[in-house]
Amino acid sequence: QQQVKQSPQSLIVQKGGISIINCAYENTAFDYFPWYQQFPGKGPALLIAIRPDVSEKKEGRFTISFNKSAKQFSLHIMDSQPGDSATYFCAARTLGEAYKYIFGTGTRLKVLA
Amino acid sequence: NAGVMQNPRHLVRRRGQEARLRCSPMKGHSHVYWYRQLPEEGLKFMVYLQKENIIDESGMPKERFSAEFPKEGPSILRIQQVVRGDSAAYFCASSPAGGSMNTIYFGEGSWLTVV
Repeated sequence: QQQVKQSPQSLIVQKGGISIINCAYENTAFDYFPWYQQFPGKGPALLIAIRPDVSEKKEGRFTISFNKSAKQFSLHIMDSQPGDSATYFCAARTLGEAYKYIFGTGTRLKVLA
Repeated sequence: NAGVMQNPRHLVRRRGQEARLRCSPMKGHSHVYWYRQLPEEGLKFMVYLQKENIIDESGMPKERFSAEFPKEGPSILRIQQVVRGDSAAYFCASSPAGGSMNTIYFGEGSWLTVV
């Protein structure tokens, strides 16, 4: 119940295309859902985050879509660029243990020039 | 650089040796978290510390692993008698408070290789 399932494991997208990464969870106590971007040899960096009272959040080319009833959320990267090539992790946490992030297993994105 | 500072970035240890990983939180942050990332996996929570206090160590292996965050100086993750399975990237993160409104910020990690 504490898992966050992420798919696909890897993704190849043409430059200018849309990259879509999906995550699903079971624990209805999760109240915060961030996405992290990680480049090789670097630490994860917060990209965008959403709370379950909002169905969509957009920041630049990055959008989170959140479906509370289905317990799913997804990251959409519009106009994907080669510089977006990285590993993306979804995560979730509960209000009661706000420090304990549960991470998905990651999606390795490659954007072809 | 005002980010979370970790050192060493890379560490090689022989089986049975000790590994010490250090983390200095961002300026103004008093809460530190350690996560471990095994190859091709997501990050797994290990421990949450405040100055001189371990708040939650539920993710720490019961044997050989310990963590501290002293009043002065960096947080230290110590792994005694390392084994090959300890090879991983260890990430420290920090936040100004442990509440739900705050995001945690990660350092660049310490890559431990046990040979």
